[in-house]
Amino acid sequence: DIQMTQSPSSLSASVGDRVTITCRASQSISSYLNWYQQKPGKAPKLLIYAASSLQSGVPSRFSGSGSGTDFTLTISSLQPEDFATYYCQQSYSTPDTFGQGTRLEIK
Amino acid sequence: QVQLVQSGAEVKKPGASVKVSCKASGYTFTSYDINWVRQATGQGLEWMGWMNPNSGNTGYAQKFQGRVTMTRNTSISTAYMELSSLRSEDTAVYYCARKFEYSSSVWFDPWGQGTLVTVSS
Repeated sequence: DIQMTQSPSSLSASVGDRVTITCRASQSISSYLNWYQQKPGKAPKLLIYAASSLQSGVPSRFSGSGSGTDFTLTISSLQPEDFATYYCQQSYSTPDTFGQGTRLEIK
Repeated sequence: QVQLVQSGAEVKKPGASVKVSCKASGYTFTSYDINWVRQATGQGLEWMGWMNPNSGNTGYAQKFQGRVTMTRNTSISTAYMELSSLRSEDTAVYYCARKFEYSSSVWFDPWGQGTLVTVSS
C-alpha cells in the first residue's frame, strides 16, 4: 500500500495568514493526489483534485501543487471558515490511502 | 443536485452485523463507482472498498476481506455496505462517496453525510 504522510499534524495560524500543508507519498503517484477539508461532525469536502485543479465552488485562495511524491496545499489568506482538518488522498492505486490529517487551528 | 443520503445511526452488540444504506440522487447511479470510507472518533479516514453499481463488481481493503459486503439496488439507486462480526474497534462514522473519474484523474465527490455505528455490549 502507498503511505501518505502529511506535515504538520497540527498548525495554529491567524486570519489573513498564508498557510502551506505538505503531503508526501511513499512512491510516485504522478498527479493522482486530492485534498479534502473536513469540519467537525461533517463529511469531507473535495477542495483540489489531480494535485492542482480547483473543485468548482471552492474559493481561489486554495491552491495545490506537486507531482510524483511531494505535494502542497496552500491557503493564500486564511478566512475564519477555513479552520478545519485537511486530508490528502492518493488515487493512483488501490487501496486508496489518506494522509493522517492536518488540523488547522486559530491562533 | 448530486447527493448521497445515508441511513441513520446504529447501535449494535459485538458479533452482530450492520447494514448501512446510501441513496444517490441527481445523477445516473449506475455510471459511477461507490466507495466506502470510515472514520473512528478523532481519527483519520480509512478506505474500506468500492462497488460498481452497474456490474455489481466489488473490491475490498484486505483488512475487511471476509467481513464486508457491498451491494446495490439499482431500482432505487441505493448502495449498501454490510459489516459483520462487529467488534468495539468498528465503532466509527461510515461514509459512502461517489468516485469520479475524468482525464486520468480520480477523486471522491460528493460524500454522504455519514452514519455513526456504535458497537457496545
